[in-house]
Amino acid sequence: EVQLLESGGGLVQPGGSLRLSCAASGFTFSSNWMSWVRQAPGKGLEWVANIKQDGSDKNYVDSVKGRFTISRDNAKNSLYLQMNSLRAEDTAMYYCARGGSRPDYWGQGTLVTVSS
Amino acid sequence: DIVLTQSPATLSLSPGDRATLSCRASQRVRSYLAWYQQKPGQAPRLLIYDASNRATGIPARFSGSGSGTDFTLTISSLEPEDFAVYYCQQCSIWPYTFGPGTTVDIK
Repeated sequence: EVQLLESGGGLVQPGGSLRLSCAASGFTFSSNWMSWVRQAPGKGLEWVANIKQDGSDKNYVDSVKGRFTISRDNAKNSLYLQMNSLRAEDTAMYYCARGGSRPDYWGQGTLVTVSS
Repeated sequence: DIVLTQSPATLSLSPGDRATLSCRASQRVRSYLAWYQQKPGQAPRLLIYDASNRATGIPARFSGSGSGTDFTLTISSLEPEDFAVYYCQQCSIWPYTFGPGTTVDIK
């Protein structure tokens, strides 16, 4: 059974940092693109970033470029999102998802709240 | 960025009704369009990919059509569990974008 378990969310002040993690199981992690997608409270979905199987290709939405970094550790079956210089508008549920273009499995999300 | 517009914003129907949801792209996306279902407090679930292919485990009452800029998701006969929000998403050009969603609620 495919499972994606996010962690690392929480309350952080504007300008602060957080590192999200996603533990994957039930499939060959190293064979799949992976993505982070977020959803602000009561709002729609926004793709944040995706990463190729070997980490050699990464894409970011403009609003997070230069502040967020997506990475992966295939030996640990884990996906990460390092988030720096956080802003109020980054407040959202962050989902880890399998696939780089039309994810077929999603985790339950981890909530990030940016507030003073 | 490619903007996706979904209509209607809300669709009020009864179980057993046919639901027709539309998604229009601001530029051609070929067939690189997916549909997702999201229920309150849950993650999105992939229903349709490449405009017309059902994802694994998705019932046959869900079907997708279209190409270029105009797409449709059809639910042939609504089941109680189908009342949810539906999003379209293009994966033709980065950044991949989602539509604002159509809420299918019980009339």
